[in-house]
Amino acid sequence: DTAVSQTPKYLVTQMGNDKSIKCEQNLGHDTMYWYKQDSKKFLKIMFSYNNKELIINETVPNRFSPKSPDKAHLNLHINSLELGDSAVYFCASSPVGSDEQFFGPGTRLTVL
Amino acid sequence: GQSLEQPSEVTAVEGAIVQINCTYQTSGFYGLSWYQQHDGGAPTFLSYNALDGLEETGRFSSFLSRSDSYGYLLLQELQMKDSASYFCAAPNSGYSTLTFGKGTMLLVSP
Repeated sequence: DTAVSQTPKYLVTQMGNDKSIKCEQNLGHDTMYWYKQDSKKFLKIMFSYNNKELIINETVPNRFSPKSPDKAHLNLHINSLELGDSAVYFCASSPVGSDEQFFGPGTRLTVL
Repeated sequence: GQSLEQPSEVTAVEGAIVQINCTYQTSGFYGLSWYQQHDGGAPTFLSYNALDGLEETGRFSSFLSRSDSYGYLLLQELQMKDSASYFCAAPNSGYSTLTFGKGTMLLVSP
């Protein structure tokens, strides 16, 4: 299937732990993103990568570090998890110049 | 920066027509997108307006007025499956990241 995929779908962990979320797209897109959706459903951009290079880093704590090993993958590593990090994290991709972004299924992170 | 305002909730009955409004304040404007998100699902793209006027795609239409900093999504012949959250969104400069409104939850009842 052509799509944006994320793993894991659910992640439950303790405060202070380090965790990673993986994202892959097989759509051939050059640009990938990470968004955070909080409990009130507010969607906010975190990072944008174009062809493996960081383009945008919104005001995100440096505990969050994205890594793009190739243009089809954009992983998100989070250090020293805090309660406020609990949210749904969406990966997305788009072709250059496109109006449409394609979202992955999301990873629901719960920090206890 | 950008900010987009939309109602938090709209209710309607099956078969009806509903309009979800979005007003925006932006430092630079490139267009207005609409996304649908079902509960527990991912946002999916519905439409994009770069120019003033109405864009129609099946039962859904989207309108933009740049002079009024206003747009809307029009859903016709509502079906139960249209119950979802609808987000307006605007691209941020040339980087194509999106600023989203807070979403409008549409509840369609029989």
